[in-house]
Amino acid sequence: AQTVTQSQPEMSVQEAETVTLSCTYDTSENNYYLFWYKQPPSRQMILVIRQEAYKQQNATENRFSVNFQKAAKSFSLKISDSQLGDTAMYFCAFMKQNTDKLIFGTGTRLQVFP
Amino acid sequence: DSGVTQTPKHLITATGQRVTLRCSPRSGDLSVYWYQQSLDQGLQFLIQYYNGEERAKGNILERFSAQQFPDLHSELNLSSLELGDSALYFCASSGGQGTGELFFGEGSRLTVL
Repeated sequence: AQTVTQSQPEMSVQEAETVTLSCTYDTSENNYYLFWYKQPPSRQMILVIRQEAYKQQNATENRFSVNFQKAAKSFSLKISDSQLGDTAMYFCAFMKQNTDKLIFGTGTRLQVFP
Repeated sequence: DSGVTQTPKHLITATGQRVTLRCSPRSGDLSVYWYQQSLDQGLQFLIQYYNGEERAKGNILERFSAQQFPDLHSELNLSSLELGDSALYFCASSGGQGTGELFFGEGSRLTVL
């Protein structure tokens, strides 16, 4: 069975600074997807970034980028130029290809301070 | 706006009661998923339907059941409610091709007193 581990329950960062959230996962699969979802106080789950395991290039979406290390089964999220609106819970998630079933980590609560 | 609609947004009920949560997926999406998020926890997968048929089942209690109707909306039925069932229940939808992106509704917050 696949598992997703987020070892940082809480993180904080000052506005305009950079922060990295950690995620590791365990799987015997070779083809899968990894995701970071953001859950602000409004509680909506918002997709931040997506990575296909077969792609060596790290995904990037504006200020958000990932460091995907397939051999180490590590998938960290880097937020550059942090903004107050980035304050939220961040969930790392795994999906085996062709299943559509997301497995979530327990989340990291990020607080951005002015 | 994800295009996924969940009702009700909030629900307060008593132990032993039964409730029904409703989800309308994004237009054109055939797959519907239900997730449970207890306080300060990650989301736990409950069940998936694809075009009216159950496709995958997770940690769903026997007191819970779900279905997807011909118009593709889905309902999650929770019965014999216990205090521990208090949680956010999310519905998500996708095209169902295993491409990896789910669209989430805003959730239904259930409080059992």
